[in-house]
Formats: sequence, C-alpha cells, structure tokens
Amino acid sequence: NAGVMQNPRHLVRRRGQEARLRCSPMKGHSHVYWYRQLPEEGLKFMVYLQKENIIDESGMPKERFSAEFPKEGPSILRIQQVVRGDSAAYFCASEITGGHHYNEQFFGPGTRLTVL
Amino acid sequence: EDQVTQSPEALRLQEGESSSLNCSYTVSGLRGLFWYRQDPGKGPEFLFTLYSAGEEKEKERLKATLTKKESFLHITAPKPEDSATYLCAVRRWGKFQFGAGTQVVVTP
Repeated sequence: NAGVMQNPRHLVRRRGQEARLRCSPMKGHSHVYWYRQLPEEGLKFMVYLQKENIIDESGMPKERFSAEFPKEGPSILRIQQVVRGDSAAYFCASEITGGHHYNEQFFGPGTRLTVL
Repeated sequence: EDQVTQSPEALRLQEGESSSLNCSYTVSGLRGLFWYRQDPGKGPEFLFTLYSAGEEKEKERLKATLTKKESFLHITAPKPEDSATYLCAVRRWGKFQFGAGTQVVVTP
C-alpha cells in the first residue's frame, strides 16, 4: 500500500511565478492536510480538506495561497506570485476519516520550494 | 490558543546513554498526544498516540508516557540510527499543533 505521495519533491521558482504542489493521499484516505515547515521551526498547519470541500483554512495566508482536493485526482496547493518568504518545505498528510481526536495522520515526503 | 513546548531543543547522546525528551502542553481539555520522528529531508513518521493520562506505549528503544500536562519520550540505550528530530503534537478540531521538536544526535 503506497504511502502519501507528493510531487515535485523539489521546486524552484523565481519571484512572481506560480507554484503548484500536488499530494496524493494514502489509498482509502479521504482527508488531506497541508503543513508548512520553515528551517529550524516546527510544522505549521495551513489547510484541511475533504474531497471537494475545504474544512478549515485558518492557517492559510489570506492572499496568494489556495488549495483544492477535487473528486478525482490529487490535492493541489497553489501559491501565486511567490515571494522569497514562501521558501519552505510543504508537507501533506492524510487520514482515513476526518477530525477524530485519536486518528494519526500519515505524512508525505514533502515538497521543498525555493524562491529565487 | 493551545501551546506545545518541547525541551530540550537539541540533545547529544553517546551510544547507550539513555535520556528523556519532554513535551508540555496547555489545552482546554486533554486530547490525543502524538509523537513523530523526522529524519532530515523527509516527512514525519508516526510513532505513538497517547489517549489519556497514565498511558504508556513502547516501540523498540522508545517509550512514551503521558500526564495531564506533559509527555515524555524516553530513549533507552540509543543507537546512532535513533538520531532524528522528535516532534510531539496535540490535536484540536482536526488540525495538529506541533512543537518545534527536539533534535537528537547519537554518536558511536
């Protein structure tokens, strides 16, 4: 059973370009979470999605960032007009059901975004 | 807002030298507490979930315990392959809140 998959693993963008990060959850998992990790810092929650529905986007910057999890295909985290401060590792996690206190989340390998 | 604080920030151990990592939390009601291990350049790997105060779980050289205000991750007779950053997290309304982690280095 394949784990959580993310691609690309490394992404380099120039300031002002768009970055698209993809996440395929574990088989049978219908809930996806995105986190951002800056160097020497912990993981920070960004957004929680169910298929075709955003459950909680309280950690997402109000501008330039968006996320979706369509009925078919991977979840996408989109960053428009990237700036140097967006450089970070972005991790996706999935779980089998949503929001239960005791469910563990399984993480992908991350996408490392570098903005030049 | 819930707070999760891990200490120490970094820990250097000799192989075989046992030690403990601390995770203290302030939440409005005890929720599941989670421990993860993260190797450089990789995603966090799930280790344990603790559900209630007094609970303990073990996996190889690792043992996690939970009280009403903190959790400990005990590393017994560590080996170099135990070198990693150990993260703890609490959960509220779906999303995890992580501590900053403890970076553990075990030297031969």
